[in-house]
Amino acid sequence: NAGVTQTPKFQVLKTGQSMTLQCAQDMNHNSMYWYRQDPGMGLRLIYYSASEGTTDKGEVPNGYNVSRLNKREFSLRLESAAPSQTSVYFCASSEEVPGETQYFGPGTRLLVL
Amino acid sequence: SQQGEEDPQALSIQEGENATMNCSYKTSINNLQWYRQNSGRGLVHLILIRSNEREKHSGRLRVTLDTSKKSSSLLITASRAADTASYFCATDALATSGSRLTFGEGTQLTVNP
Repeated sequence: NAGVTQTPKFQVLKTGQSMTLQCAQDMNHNSMYWYRQDPGMGLRLIYYSASEGTTDKGEVPNGYNVSRLNKREFSLRLESAAPSQTSVYFCASSEEVPGETQYFGPGTRLLVL
Repeated sequence: SQQGEEDPQALSIQEGENATMNCSYKTSINNLQWYRQNSGRGLVHLILIRSNEREKHSGRLRVTLDTSKKSSSLLITASRAADTASYFCATDALATSGSRLTFGEGTQLTVNP
């Protein structure tokens, strides 16, 4: 099992460009999440999907959109990137209840110039 | 605002010594979890302790939970250089809509050979 995979590993964007971060899990988990991690800030939840077909905003959703494509895949889209979105983005999944153990991907480092 | 706050922010010890990290939180919880993050990698789940538990062990890890003080501690015994990482506590707050985890800012542990 690959667990949680993320693509790309690293991306540089110019302000105003758009991109989609991809995430997939092969553990048959119902819930999936997108976090961002900034220095000294810990992880902050952007969006989550408690089950296939549902998505909800987290703590910092502004400037992002998500799509739960199917049970395996959960993508994060930046429509018009801003320097404030420079961060490391992590996708995670959990089996059933969002408050239970989460399994994380390796992260995507995004630099917005 | 962050639910969990770790203390200290950074800790440097010698191999073989014990390392203790603390986490305080603000609201009632379903469970509290500890995660490890090696530099440049995703988070890895270490241990979950439920609100009705006071202590839990896993290998060299010992976690305690004091719900009256809203605090938890993670003890790593007989530390090794490979334990060098950031350690995060995460809480599943009872009152949080959607029951999702909130992460603290982490403790950076350095174990010197």
